[in-house]
Amino acid sequence: QQPVQSPQAVILREGEDAVINCSSSKALYSVHWYRQKHGEAPVFLMILLKGGEQKGHEKISASFNEKKQQSSLYLTASQLSYSGTYFCGENYGGSQGNLIFGKGTKLSVKP
Amino acid sequence: DAGITQSPRHKVTETGTPVTLRCHQTENHRYMYWYRQDPGHGLRLIHYSYGVKDTDKGEVSDGYSVSRSKTEDFLLTLESATSSQTSVYFCAISGTSGSVNEQFFGPGTRLTVL
Repeated sequence: QQPVQSPQAVILREGEDAVINCSSSKALYSVHWYRQKHGEAPVFLMILLKGGEQKGHEKISASFNEKKQQSSLYLTASQLSYSGTYFCGENYGGSQGNLIFGKGTKLSVKP
Repeated sequence: DAGITQSPRHKVTETGTPVTLRCHQTENHRYMYWYRQDPGHGLRLIHYSYGVKDTDKGEVSDGYSVSRSKTEDFLLTLESATSSQTSVYFCAISGTSGSVNEQFFGPGTRLTVL
């Protein structure tokens, strides 16, 4: 079953903050976050692992609550370049690291 | 950027014809994945490979088969294409298990089945 992302869409002005949530019905091993711009491939943002380890390539922060089976992505002081669709992908610890992706959250940042 | 290409990038075909999509990587990564992306569904895993000749099914594997005879190539075949297989197909690679390391995505193939 796919993780549930919320909100489905959000519109921001430059400089505003946003939080995107990803909730699972199963115990998680890791959560991945990707951003996809229209017509392009998804691009990796961050991995959060059970136990607290994080790996990321951009100045975007995230949290992983193992008990609640939920992850949140925090976008602060948003820029126009943050626009796109954000996907969380969940791994439950088995089968070579397969990810089950949510349906995405569309973020639009306006000037 | 990870060296990953997909071919063709666009294809239009007719119902009932076989179609093969190719994913090629120059990173020598062990793991390779095929996803399809449809509006309202996000990315869904079709098949994946964890080594040469080692493949397994994902969540939406019906109607698809894969092969991996070399580390660098992962082929996705639609044996008899149907209109429901119209989609954008993404290949992804990962150096180690994709649960602990990022997946790098190819540019995608837009397939239309008439």
